[in-house]
Amino acid sequence: SQELEQSPQSLIVQEGKNLTINCTSSKTLYGLYWYKQKYGEGLIFLMMLQKGGEEKSHEKITAKLDEKKQQSSLHITASQPSHAGIYLCGAVTGANSKLTFGKGITLSVRP
Amino acid sequence: EADIYQTPRYLVIGTGKKITLECSQTMGHDKMYWYQQDPGMELHLIHYSYGVNSTEKGDLSSESTVSRIRTEHFPLTLESARPSHTSQYLCASSEYQLGNEKLFFGSGTQLSVL
Repeated sequence: SQELEQSPQSLIVQEGKNLTINCTSSKTLYGLYWYKQKYGEGLIFLMMLQKGGEEKSHEKITAKLDEKKQQSSLHITASQPSHAGIYLCGAVTGANSKLTFGKGITLSVRP
Repeated sequence: EADIYQTPRYLVIGTGKKITLECSQTMGHDKMYWYQQDPGMELHLIHYSYGVNSTEKGDLSSESTVSRIRTEHFPLTLESARPSHTSQYLCASSEYQLGNEKLFFGSGTQLSVL
């Protein structure tokens, strides 16, 4: 079974709308990472969350970590076409574990 | 912008050929990784290295091999390519810091084996 579940699988929003995507782990989280990927390219680091209740923002993107639920959410305010892409969460689920990734959420933003 | 480079960007090759995918970083990072990614699927770690002369196999079994003779260089080799090796290969690096898995990724190599 998959360690990291991302939801929804894909999302299409109108430009200017807010949206939230989620990442849920089946194991205890030691660190949660959000990356963005353009199709066929490498991943770009967005944010890292390590403490329960931690919240970080960069431009119009905010990520939160709920340690008890073993879940993170990523919220985009007033979405723009530049936000389109694949959003992947990565997690460290053990003291000596490597980063594992979810399948990603494909976001499309309609102008 | 991350200073990590992968070549070639795209590679189409026949079955049985030997190939090497190149990965170089100029950030002086000790840790380097190779991930394999198929469309719509999660990234799978196939190899990693903690520094020069250190190489380990990842979570996903792979017929490829890696070497780490220099800090900045982490090539991946397939001795005999097969169609099942068709995939995107992503190289990444990070600082050697406990609890820090912030990775910098290259643009990837899309490999097609005919």
